[in-house]
Amino acid sequence: DQQVKQNSPSLSVQEGRISILNCDYTNSMFDYFLWYKKYPAEGPTFLISISSIKDKNEDGRFTVFLNKSAKHLSLHIVPSQPGDSAVYFCAATGGNTPLVFGKGTRLSVIA
Amino acid sequence: DVKVTQSSRYLVKRTGEKVFLECVQDMDHENMFWYRQDPGLGLRLIYFSYDVKMKEKGDIPEGYSVSREKKERFSLILESASTNQTSMYLCASSVFGTGEETQYFGPGTRLLVL
Repeated sequence: DQQVKQNSPSLSVQEGRISILNCDYTNSMFDYFLWYKKYPAEGPTFLISISSIKDKNEDGRFTVFLNKSAKHLSLHIVPSQPGDSAVYFCAATGGNTPLVFGKGTRLSVIA
Repeated sequence: DVKVTQSSRYLVKRTGEKVFLECVQDMDHENMFWYRQDPGLGLRLIYFSYDVKMKEKGDIPEGYSVSREKKERFSLILESASTNQTSMYLCASSVFGTGEETQYFGPGTRLLVL
């Protein structure tokens, strides 16, 4: 039973355009959400997070939106750059429980 | 900067061997985690620990054990390696108790079991 779902295994975007990565969750207890970026043969690196008391958090080119009623969050990357090509993992937690990760979305930014 | 190090980047072992994967963090984090990553399956939690000498099973603990004798070190043990344990193993650490703790990952160990 997947509590965190990333329904798109892959996404291709032209350089300079917007990348939108989506994530859905089922557990109503989740109140903190994170996005990680992972290059091949490296560990995931933290990208951006959002608490359930907010609906948007922005950090440079990266913005995360949270829609609690729909149990949906998205990561927007604007403008997309070739160096953004990686696998992106959505993760969620509620209380002091371990993070639950989605299966990841592979983003390819085409020059 | 948080630093999480893993003892090996690449490891090749034979079926039946006992395998030790070591993880060390330098930020005095209480929480430590072991995951494996497989294509199409994302990150799956094997074991975690919220304190020294404490361990909790994650989603896929079968075939693995862990040891946390010191706060900064968390070891993953494959008692008798099998080919289905060929995977990328990732260690992570985080601060305890805020409910908003970010996990910081090591570089990973790619294990091949022949």
